[in-house]
Amino acid sequence: DAMVIQNPRYQVTQFGKPVTLSCSQTLNHNVMYWYQQKSSQAPKLLFHYYDKDFNNEADTPDNFQSRRPNTSFCFLDIRSPGLGDAAMYLCATSREGTDRGNYGYTFGSGTRLTVV
Amino acid sequence: DAKTTQPNSMESNEEEPVHLPCNHSTISGTDYIHWYRQLPSQGPEYVIHGLTSNVNNRMASLAIAEDRKSSTLILHRATLRDAAVYYCILRPYYGQNFVFGPGTRLSVLP
Repeated sequence: DAMVIQNPRYQVTQFGKPVTLSCSQTLNHNVMYWYQQKSSQAPKLLFHYYDKDFNNEADTPDNFQSRRPNTSFCFLDIRSPGLGDAAMYLCATSREGTDRGNYGYTFGSGTRLTVV
Repeated sequence: DAKTTQPNSMESNEEEPVHLPCNHSTISGTDYIHWYRQLPSQGPEYVIHGLTSNVNNRMASLAIAEDRKSSTLILHRATLRDAAVYYCILRPYYGQNFVFGPGTRLSVLP
C-alpha cells in the first residue's frame, strides 16, 4: 500500500544534541509537511515543501530545519533540542493541483521525541 | 485562517450512532470541509470530506447544512476502535494548509 513512513517511531536524544527525524512516502505527492504535536494539543504546522520550495511558518523556531533531497524523502533536523521540544512529530503529504481544497493529507504514524 | 468550533468532548455507547457537530459560520463558498481523526499514539487519518452535498463512505457520513455554516460527522455504529480525537478542518479551493483546532475527543463506552 502507498503510504507515509516515519522513522524511528520513538527517538530519545540528549539535551542540546542534534537529532534528525525522517519521513518517506510512496504516494509521489509533491507537498510534504512537518507538524509538531505536544501532549494533549492539536498538531501545529512547522513548515512544508511544495516540490523543492521550502515554506516556513512564521513562528517556527530557528532551531528547526528541514531538508527534502528528493520527492520521496523529507527530514526534520533539530539543531539543539531543548526539553520543550519533546513532542510527537508528524509528517504528512498531499497531492496539489487545481481544486487544491479537494485534496486531503496522508499522515505518517509519527515520531515521538523524548529529550533527556 | 478559516475557523471551526467543536465540542471539547463527547461520549457514546458502543453500537449506537454518534453525531459529531462542527460550526464554521465564516466558511466561504470555496471552502471544503474535511474531517480527520487521531487515534491514541497515531497520526491523524482521513475520515471524509465534502463541499456542499452530503457524503457517505465506508467509515462515516458527512451531513452539511444547507447554508454550509455547520456540518455533522455521523458514525453509524460506534465501536471501541472509534474512540479518538475528531478534527473538523476547512480547506479553501486555493489550498490553505491544514490548521488543526482542538477537535472533539470521543469516548465510546462498552
